[in-house]
Amino acid sequence: NAGVMQNPRHLVRRRGQEARLRCSPMKGHSHVYWYRQLPEEGLKFMVYLQKENIIDESGMPKERFSAEFPKEGPSILRIQQVVRGDSAAYFCASSPPSSSSNNEQFFGPGTRLTVL
Amino acid sequence: GNSVTQMEGPVTLSEEAFLTINCTYTATGYPSLFWYVQYPGEGLQLLLKATKADDKGSNKGFEATYRKETTSFHLEKGSVQVSDSAVYFCALAGGTSYGKLTFGQGTILTVHP
Repeated sequence: NAGVMQNPRHLVRRRGQEARLRCSPMKGHSHVYWYRQLPEEGLKFMVYLQKENIIDESGMPKERFSAEFPKEGPSILRIQQVVRGDSAAYFCASSPPSSSSNNEQFFGPGTRLTVL
Repeated sequence: GNSVTQMEGPVTLSEEAFLTINCTYTATGYPSLFWYVQYPGEGLQLLLKATKADDKGSNKGFEATYRKETTSFHLEKGSVQVSDSAVYFCALAGGTSYGKLTFGQGTILTVHP
């Protein structure tokens, strides 16, 4: 059973370009979470999605950032008009469907975004 | 809201030394508590977890006990190895933060031979 997959592993963008980060959850998992890790800091929650639904986006910046988890295909985190402050590691995690709010989350290897 | 506070790092130890990394939390309700480990250039791996008060999570020689009275979940290992060098994150889920994990700031551990 493959783990959580993220691509690309490294992404370089110039200021003003768009960044698209992809996450394929573990097989059978229908919950996806995105976290951002700034240099020398802990992970900060961004958004929690289920198939075709955004459940909690309280950690998403109000502008330029969006996320989706379509019925088919990976979850996408999209950053428009990137700025240097967006440089960070972006981690995706997934968990199985359950009524419990305390499921273990399985993390992908992350995408390291560098904005020049 | 929920929050997690870890002891300041970095922590540097000699091989076979005893390790303690302190973690305290603030949450309403009954959260689950986790320790994750991150090796250089990699994602996070779950090290251990505890889902209710007085539970002890353990894995690979690491242990942590869920103490509701002191709102703590300190990580311990009796004899560290060089291969334990990594960043350790304490986290919680549940309470008022349905679904999402709230992380501490991480503690860098370096173990010398």
